[in-house]
Parts: sequence; structure tokens; C-alpha cells
Amino acid sequence: DSGVTQTPKHLITATGQRVTLRCSPRSGDLSVYWYQQSLDQGLQFLIHYYNGEERAKGNILERFSAQQFPDLHSELNLSSLELGDSALYFCASSESRFRSYGEQYFGPGTRLTVT
Amino acid sequence: GEDVEQSLFLSVREGDSSVINCTYTDSSSTYLYWYKQEPGAGLQLLTYIFSNMDMKQDQRLTVLLNKKDKHLSLRIADTQTGDSAIYFCAESTPRDSGNTPLVFGKGTRLSVIA
Repeated sequence: DSGVTQTPKHLITATGQRVTLRCSPRSGDLSVYWYQQSLDQGLQFLIHYYNGEERAKGNILERFSAQQFPDLHSELNLSSLELGDSALYFCASSESRFRSYGEQYFGPGTRLTVT
Repeated sequence: GEDVEQSLFLSVREGDSSVINCTYTDSSSTYLYWYKQEPGAGLQLLTYIFSNMDMKQDQRLTVLLNKKDKHLSLRIADTQTGDSAIYFCAESTPRDSGNTPLVFGKGTRLSVIA
């Protein structure tokens, strides 16, 4: 158990809908990263938050957004869902300070299926 | 941009050693990681190595880094059926902005034959 929790574990929804994925980092970790894992694209970095502020963006679509709250949990919002958004979404946390050198610990993931 | 390459499949007999290889392109990579993913599960951090090291050993796991060739390997001694999984190599690079998201390879599927 990495100490990172994600809910829900599975999510099935229809095209055009909006969903919210939730992540709680390990106790004391200030950084949260979101990744998407799909068969064709592999593991892709989406976005990084540090202590409530966005730090880096990767291959995140404009239909997707995220935030990190004062209690350090994070939510990833996916809207206008398309079939191609079906994937495993992972969050990871790190005990990084300003420069995130540290190793990242992953949650169990949320499997999103868009029908 | 950064790129990490791995062979996709490896099959070994139980009790043998497994060697999973990885190459990366970013010469400024400072941290290199190995993650394990079992079916239906998340990514488990196995080990990591800093670029100022050549080797790191942790029980059955040995990581070798050839910085000149940008080649990383993970050796699993006495491979067991429980080692069957997908192994991901990942690298991270420090930036002035302080953000170092992981760049992953496509993963090597290790099958252990009893």
C-alpha cells in the first residue's frame, strides 16, 4: 500500500458526460501528479500540483482540468467525455519541496470507461 | 523531448535471472526509476538510482546505469512466478521551475515460466 488513495476505483459513463476523479496524497506529501495510462499512448503525464498551485502541464486536453485543495487532496475533472478518454487515471504523490526530485508513489488508479 | 525505450516482452524460467533493459535520451536525467505493475493494479516503485551512481543493489534487485550510453538495466535474481508483471523504466529531470514529471517507457512484460 503506497498510502495514496484514489476514488472511485471504477467509473462507467456515457459520451458527453463529466466526471470527477479524486486523489488523496500520502501524509505530508505536497506534490500531486496525474497520469493517464492507455493501451495506445502508454503512461502520459497530465498535470502536477504543488501545495495548491499548478506547477506543470503535460499532455492534458483542454476538456480536462484539475485542482489541489488546501487539505492537499486533488481532483481531476474530465468533461465532454469521448470514447478515447477511456483509460486508467493514476495520481502520484511526492514529498518534494519546491524542486521535485523525489520519487513518486502511485495510487491504485481509477479505471474510466466511456460508452 | 525526452524519450525512454524498453523492449516489450521478456520470458524467463523460474529460478533464472531476468534482465530488463531501458535506454533514455535526456542526458540531463538525474533520477531513473523502475516501477512494477501487476494486472489490474497500480504502479509500485521498486527502486531508483541517481545519475552519479553506477550500480544499486536491493535484495534480489540490481540496477546498473551506463550514463555514457544512457542505458539502464534491472536484474532480478532468482526470478519467481510472483515477479510476472509489467516493468516500467522512468526518468526525471530537474528544472528551474521545480517540476519533474516522470517520463515512462512503454513497459516490459515479464513472464516467468514455472
